[in-house]
Amino acid sequence: AQSVSQHNHHVILSEAASLELGCNYSYGGTVNLFWYVQYPGQHLQLLLKYFSGDPLVKGIKGFEAEFIKSKFSFNLRKPSVQWSDTAEYFCAVNPPGGNNRLAFGKGNQVVVIP
Amino acid sequence: IAGITQAPTSQILAAGRRMTLRCTQDMRHNAMYWYRQDLGLGLRLIHYSNTAGTTGKGEVPDGYSVSRANTDDFPLTLASAVPSQTSVYFCASSDSSETRDLSFGPGTRLTVL
Repeated sequence: AQSVSQHNHHVILSEAASLELGCNYSYGGTVNLFWYVQYPGQHLQLLLKYFSGDPLVKGIKGFEAEFIKSKFSFNLRKPSVQWSDTAEYFCAVNPPGGNNRLAFGKGNQVVVIP
Repeated sequence: IAGITQAPTSQILAAGRRMTLRCTQDMRHNAMYWYRQDLGLGLRLIHYSNTAGTTGKGEVPDGYSVSRANTDDFPLTLASAVPSQTSVYFCASSDSSETRDLSFGPGTRLTVL
């Protein structure tokens, strides 16, 4: 079945450490890619998205993601995390013909220790 | 303030009862969606509507129904709730013309006992 995979569901790291969250998808063709963030007790917010063009996408709060078509990947990175980055992060894919019916990964729970 | 509102914020429900979760958006978005969020499973699409008057089934539609009488409202109904429907439910919308990302509501936390 077509899917979106996120690894290392729980990530614990210290402030100023670098963060990288992996996302792989199994859909062929042209896809739109997203990372959403859910802070504790809040609803999902868009971090960044890729539709076309430069495969290195910069989002809010210092996050960036790189689309590597040959690897079917869209990994999220932040060079230096802060305590306020504690949240759950979801990768999502709008597959070909998906009509914005996004398929989500299972999420990464990230805890940043001050 | 533009956005999506959901009601109720939380609800505890006895199994077998009927329940309607409300969702209203004021952004005039064409498309609306209902997702459920479960620990370790991420978000799964229940039902969607590409435009007023049309609806479709998502990944986990069983036990749920929706209607889309107008652009703004997209209620989700559980006809006879079961404990496995205990979850956090998020309504979302998108302007399918360009942006293609989803705006999410604050969620409804539902517990079925």
